[in-house]
Amino acid sequence: EPEVTQTPSHQVTQMGQEVILRCVPISNHLYFYWYRQILGQKVEFLVSFYNNEISEKSEIFDDQFSVERPDGSNFTLKIRSTKLEDSAMYFCASRGRDGHNSPLHFGNGTRLTVT
Amino acid sequence: GDSVTQMEGPVTLSEEAFLTINCTYTATGYPSLFWYVQYPGEGLQLLLKATKADDKGSNKGFEATYRKETTSFHLEKGSVQVSDSAVYFCALGGGKLIFGQGTELSVKP
Repeated sequence: EPEVTQTPSHQVTQMGQEVILRCVPISNHLYFYWYRQILGQKVEFLVSFYNNEISEKSEIFDDQFSVERPDGSNFTLKIRSTKLEDSAMYFCASRGRDGHNSPLHFGNGTRLTVT
Repeated sequence: GDSVTQMEGPVTLSEEAFLTINCTYTATGYPSLFWYVQYPGEGLQLLLKATKADDKGSNKGFEATYRKETTSFHLEKGSVQVSDSAVYFCALGGGKLIFGQGTELSVKP
């Protein structure tokens, strides 16, 4: 079965550094998402992306965050200048062309640790 | 805004016990409801869903019924196994999903 793949599985970075989290969604999917889960807390929506643009973003997704689909397969989340509170598990997800009627498929996540 | 509340964990059960994990929601309109499961070291996997009131979602022995009158979507399983040990997330949504805080289930042999 096709999977959403995320790399790396664990990233450690220093405060103030830029970090890029990478995702390869399922190949024929059209809707892409990033979520995050701070340890012990809820899974929170960050941003959704469709047709090469952001379709919705949460309050968490401020100017320090950006997303990009640089080619036909990758979907990246960039954090420009990381803060301690950015430490979390970041999940990428995608869904097919049926949109809201098709389920979200999640990757295994990237654990980001900011020191 | 829309929200989801799940019962607090962790929940510890013996194998073959009956499982209920409570989930209630607040939403405008009539969103779809989901249960996702996260096994250790893995991502979130869709367990079951229901798209309208009175729908029952089921998968792998788990069931949940979309109850509009009580705004609930409780997860049940008649006889849990050790392999069911995981974190379970209730969620609602159409485009983006709104998740509950997750309930950790531990099943002992």
